[in-house]
Amino acid sequence: EVQLVESGGGLVQPGGSLRLSCVASGFTVSSNYMSWVRQAPGKGLEWVSVIYSGGSTYYADSVKDRFTISRDNSKNTLYLQMNSLSGEDTAVYYCARISRDFGWFDPWGQGTLVTVSS
Amino acid sequence: DIQMTQSPSSLSASVGDRVTITCRASQSISRYLNWYQQKPGKAPKLLIYAASSLQSGVPSRFSGSGSGTDFTLTISSLQPEDFATYYCQQGYSIPYSFGLGTKLEIK
Repeated sequence: EVQLVESGGGLVQPGGSLRLSCVASGFTVSSNYMSWVRQAPGKGLEWVSVIYSGGSTYYADSVKDRFTISRDNSKNTLYLQMNSLSGEDTAVYYCARISRDFGWFDPWGQGTLVTVSS
Repeated sequence: DIQMTQSPSSLSASVGDRVTITCRASQSISRYLNWYQQKPGKAPKLLIYAASSLQSGVPSRFSGSGSGTDFTLTISSLQPEDFATYYCQQGYSIPYSFGLGTKLEIK
């Protein structure tokens, strides 16, 4: 079964850091395009970052220079390192696989909540 | 950056109704348009990809159409489990972007 399971969310103080993990099963992370999408409480979906199979990475302007997407091929796991966090980063973070052709997101993980507050 | 505009933002309908949600891109995106359904507390679920292709396992009452800048998602006969929020998303270029969503509520 193709599945994604995120972890690593929690409460962090403004200015702090957090690393999210996303373990994949049923497919190989390194052979696919993988992404992070977030959703602030009561709000819509916001694309955050993507890593292509070749290793290229891209970020939304709102997180550029603060967040880093990466993967560990041996663990079949995707990561999101988040630094200099602020209240605007409070959200549920989802990882998802992106199709190579028309750019759809499927499957999605269950999400992990990040709360930035003092 | 490509902006995605969905309408309406909310919609009240009854079981059995035919419902149409529209999505407009700020520039042409060919058929790089995807639709998702999200229920409270759950991850989004892919319904339609490449503007009109039905994702495996999705009921045939869901359909999508359009190309270029204007797209529609149609539910032919609403079922109780269809009351949710729907999002369009463009996969044409980075940054990928979503519409603000359409909340479908029971009348």
